[in-house]
Amino acid sequence: SAVISQKPSRDICQRGTSLTIQCQVDSQVTMMFWYRQQPGQSLTLIATANQGSEATYESGFVIDKFPISRPNLTFSTLTVSNMSPEDSSIYLCSAHAEGGEKLFFGSGTQLSVL
Amino acid sequence: QKEVEQDPGPLSVPEGAIVSLNCTYSNSAFQYFMWYRQYSRKGPELLMYTYSSGNKEDGRFTAQVDKSSKYISLFIRDSQPSDSATYLCAMRETSYDKVIFGPGTSLSVIP
Repeated sequence: SAVISQKPSRDICQRGTSLTIQCQVDSQVTMMFWYRQQPGQSLTLIATANQGSEATYESGFVIDKFPISRPNLTFSTLTVSNMSPEDSSIYLCSAHAEGGEKLFFGSGTQLSVL
Repeated sequence: QKEVEQDPGPLSVPEGAIVSLNCTYSNSAFQYFMWYRQYSRKGPELLMYTYSSGNKEDGRFTAQVDKSSKYISLFIRDSQPSDSATYLCAMRETSYDKVIFGPGTSLSVIP
């Protein structure tokens, strides 16, 4: 399995500010993924982060709101920009491991926006 | 119709019971099926990973896939209080495709 470290684990932010979430994987991986889990909901894929190219965003998510960096094969960041209370969610980083088929997750970032 | 459906529960069982968790799906192209366990304030943890139809057993956990019915199940034998969590089914078409998650079933195992 892959060990995925994510920080911060939780934060409380003011409306209009931005928060950057960091994700570190203990091995080199081709693709990393960012998910959102709203209260009582399942996981929704925000974007796929590829090293050396721009992230690929899912329908309903845009780069201006959720800019992503992927500077190397073990690290990625997701920024939640110009936050509103609707952005209050758990944000999860994930990556494939064990031959690329199995998807593993970090422990998540609990974000509350006031 | 949602792509993956799952009874949200909550499901409450006594310790030692056999638990059955189920998902149905609409996309017949799904070939890879997964079950994740998520404790409160934690990320999902991969429990079971199966390809195509059939059964897979790992300790107290058994995953079943019936592609003809578009139905997957997770059975937990001799359930323990530590099994109390939300269980998410997940699936995808190919090994590198986007993973689609069900909404999750909340399980409580009462001592």
